[in-house]
Amino acid sequence: EAGVVQSPRYKIIEKKQPVAFWCNPISGHNTLYWYRQNLGQGPELLIRYENEEAVDDSQLPKDRFSAERLKGVDSTLKIQPAELGDSAVYLCASSLGVDRGETQYFGPGTRLLVL
Amino acid sequence: KQEVTQIPAALSVPEGENLVLNCSFTDSAIYNLQWFRQDPGKGLTSLLLIQSSQREQTSGRLNASLDKSSGRSTLYIAASQPGDSATYLCAVLGGGGSQGNLIFGKGTKLSVKP
Repeated sequence: EAGVVQSPRYKIIEKKQPVAFWCNPISGHNTLYWYRQNLGQGPELLIRYENEEAVDDSQLPKDRFSAERLKGVDSTLKIQPAELGDSAVYLCASSLGVDRGETQYFGPGTRLLVL
Repeated sequence: KQEVTQIPAALSVPEGENLVLNCSFTDSAIYNLQWFRQDPGKGLTSLLLIQSSQREQTSGRLNASLDKSSGRSTLYIAASQPGDSATYLCAVLGGGGSQGNLIFGKGTKLSVKP
């Protein structure tokens, strides 16, 4: 069974440029998460989807970040314009649901460097 | 606000040693606690998940305990091997207004020397 797929794996851009990350969750997983992990820190949730609906986007900086999950399968996270402080690893995860016992499965992440 | 702390931040041990990683959380109203492993440049792999009603979980050489009332968990690794070298992250689900989202600690970076 394929795991969570993310692309690209690495991205280097100049500040003020736009960037987009793509995630394909495990087949059948209704819940999808985007996390940001800064160097030396644990992941922090940016947004959580239940099917197509964003049920928790309270930590998403909405002035420059946007996300979508059309058809409730794959998802795209966009930053426009990027700032130096956005350099981080962006992780996507999925789970069957939000039941308290469900494990989240993580993708390999996209490592973003903003110059 | 739920906060998760992991001690130590880094640990270096010779191969074969038994070791303990510590995790504490501020709000005991959690649903579960998970230990993850993260290898450099990779995503997270779930190692053990302990429900709030459980005291411990075991998988191979790993044993995780949970004392919900005191807000503590430990991850015990027996007979450590160089392949265990990685960052270990503790995460709790629930508590502190987290709205059912995982709250992670900063991790413990483990290095096992041959």
